Amino acid sequence: KQEVTQIPAALSVPEGENLVLNCSFTDSAIYNLQWFRQDPGKGLTSLLLIQSSQREQTSGRLNASLDKSSGRSTLYIAASQPGDSATYLCAVGGEGGAQKLVFGQGTRLTINP
Amino acid sequence: EAGVAQSPRYKIIEKRQSVAFWCNPISGHATLYWYQQILGQGPKLLIQFQNNGVVDDSQLPKDRFSAERLKGVDSTLKIQPAKLEDSAVYLCASSRYRISSYNEQFFGPGTRLTVL
Repeated sequence: KQEVTQIPAALSVPEGENLVLNCSFTDSAIYNLQWFRQDPGKGLTSLLLIQSSQREQTSGRLNASLDKSSGRSTLYIAASQPGDSATYLCAVGGEGGAQKLVFGQGTRLTINP
Repeated sequence: EAGVAQSPRYKIIEKRQSVAFWCNPISGHATLYWYQQILGQGPKLLIQFQNNGVVDDSQLPKDRFSAERLKGVDSTLKIQPAKLEDSAVYLCASSRYRISSYNEQFFGPGTRLTVL
């Protein structure tokens, strides 16, 4: 059974800092890994998707890496801004047509002005 | 295009009462998912529909939860009777279905349920 863990559970940093969020998973037989953002009272917004054959993906100030063999992914946020404050969730997609997502518990990020 | 719609946005009920949530997926999306997100945890898949058939309901507490997707479009999730531990946000998501391709899930805003 796939288990996904995110560390830390909460993180508070001053504006402008670069930061890294961590995600680990127990079963390396994954189809893809996805990072989501969740704002209070709102649904999930997809940030980056890494296919199992890829090592990293970039979008603006965000960079996500994937190391299947070690069961790890990181989300790097450069030059953090107060608007980046949210909960960040990673989710692992399994193979097959169902493509069920297994989520970590999230990291609650606060960027202080 | 319009996103995934859910209603109500908030619901407060007493334990042992029943409650129903509604989801309207993005037009043309064949797959619909219901997730339960307890405070401080990540979403957990409850049930997945492909058109109006169930693909996965292995984590749905079938003694009290039920879901249907009539005509392969809208879906309702029902809890009867509710327990205190059912307090959570219920998220609906939908995706297209293309064989041998990643089908991105799009999420609705969720329904926050409080059971007193």
